[in-house]
Amino acid sequence: GEDVEQSLFLSVREGDSSVINCTYTDSSSTYLYWYKQEPGAGLQLLTYIFSNMDMKQDQRLTVLLNKKDKHLSLRIADTQTGDSAIYFCAVKALGGSYIPTFGRGTSLIVHP
Amino acid sequence: DSGVTQTPKHLITATGQRVTLRCSPRSGDLSVYWYQQSLDQGLQFLIHYYNGEERAKGNILERFSAQQFPDLHSELNLSSLELGDSALYFCASSVRGQGQNEQFFGPGTRLTVL
Repeated sequence: GEDVEQSLFLSVREGDSSVINCTYTDSSSTYLYWYKQEPGAGLQLLTYIFSNMDMKQDQRLTVLLNKKDKHLSLRIADTQTGDSAIYFCAVKALGGSYIPTFGRGTSLIVHP
Repeated sequence: DSGVTQTPKHLITATGQRVTLRCSPRSGDLSVYWYQQSLDQGLQFLIHYYNGEERAKGNILERFSAQQFPDLHSELNLSSLELGDSALYFCASSVRGQGQNEQFFGPGTRLTVL
């Protein structure tokens, strides 16, 4: 089945850019998502991209997709302390199982 | 606030016991998904219900069961609890069950088995 990998931790200084990376194994993955989980809360969808796109920008968030390398990244510009959270990558194929496969999450720590 | 509610927020119980977790989906959503989040396993999909019918099963133990009622709320039943069942249990809902439908997550129930 699909395997989604993320690094577990990322530490950045406030005001810098953060880049969270994700790799997946199923080349038929069609829908690719980024979720944010704040302490004590559920997952919240931040943004998503379709496999026919290379990039999507939404205010401070930029998603880049490299289909050849099966690599997805989330860039957060001007990272703030409020961005400290766990970020999950999730992917879903058009056919087969329609349940997204989640990575284990990257804990983003923003320090002053 | 996603519009998905889960009760209780916290649950502490002993090994061997049985508990029921409850989820109310967003108004209008027909699909309910259950996930287990633990430190060692990450976020694991358990089961999906659509309009009262089971649609998909993931890594759900036989000791666990779920159902979705006519009013679309769902319950996850965990029995013969073991220490390893301690985790955060999330419910998510979506309008339909397939395609790009976004899943909206509830705040979770933290289960502690002592």
